[in-house]
Amino acid sequence: DAGITQSPRHKVTETGTPVTLRCHQTENHRYMYWYRQDPGHGLRLIHYSYGVKDTDKGEVSDGYSVSRSKTEDFLLTLESATSSQTSVYFCAISAPDRGRGNTIYFGEGSWLTVV
Amino acid sequence: QQQVKQSPQSLIVQKGGISIINCAYENTAFDYFPWYQQFPGKGPALLIAIRPDVSEKKEGRFTISFNKSAKQFSLHIMDSQPGDSATYFCAATSNSGYSTLTFGKGTMLLVSP
Repeated sequence: DAGITQSPRHKVTETGTPVTLRCHQTENHRYMYWYRQDPGHGLRLIHYSYGVKDTDKGEVSDGYSVSRSKTEDFLLTLESATSSQTSVYFCAISAPDRGRGNTIYFGEGSWLTVV
Repeated sequence: QQQVKQSPQSLIVQKGGISIINCAYENTAFDYFPWYQQFPGKGPALLIAIRPDVSEKKEGRFTISFNKSAKQFSLHIMDSQPGDSATYFCAATSNSGYSTLTFGKGTMLLVSP
């Protein structure tokens, strides 16, 4: 358990509406990530953050924005949801692994359906 | 673009058999190679990981074999059990885990009783 909480866990929304997914961590990790998972594509990075107010784009960032005003919270916003954004969204953090160095741990996911 | 190619897409193995999943990468800057296991409705969970200074790492029934010159690594699940049925993802990153992960597309493993 990496202390990651995602909310909401499930959401159905209409095309064109804004949606915000929240990721909350309890262990003060610096790096946080948002991935989406789709059949046939695996996990793809949307945005990531390396500190408060420090964010960068990933592989599939179009249509998404992020914000990190506090270490513990990383928000993913779909400004105007489209059906192509129907997906499972995973938040992740970078933390020490069982050996040396760091690895990435995932939350439980947020299932988003855009109708 | 950085890529990690994973095969096969799906795999059926009999209980007690060996499951083998292969991955290949292109970026020689990658220095950390984790494998994740994902059950339906759950997030991916770190299973085992390796760094390129060793050719093999074993944890219980799970072994990673790493071939640096070929830029390939594989996951072996010995004595496969029905409870191992899940989707497995290989991944790679550089900078010892502080960079972003690049994932393979996943392998759905089914271990038949």
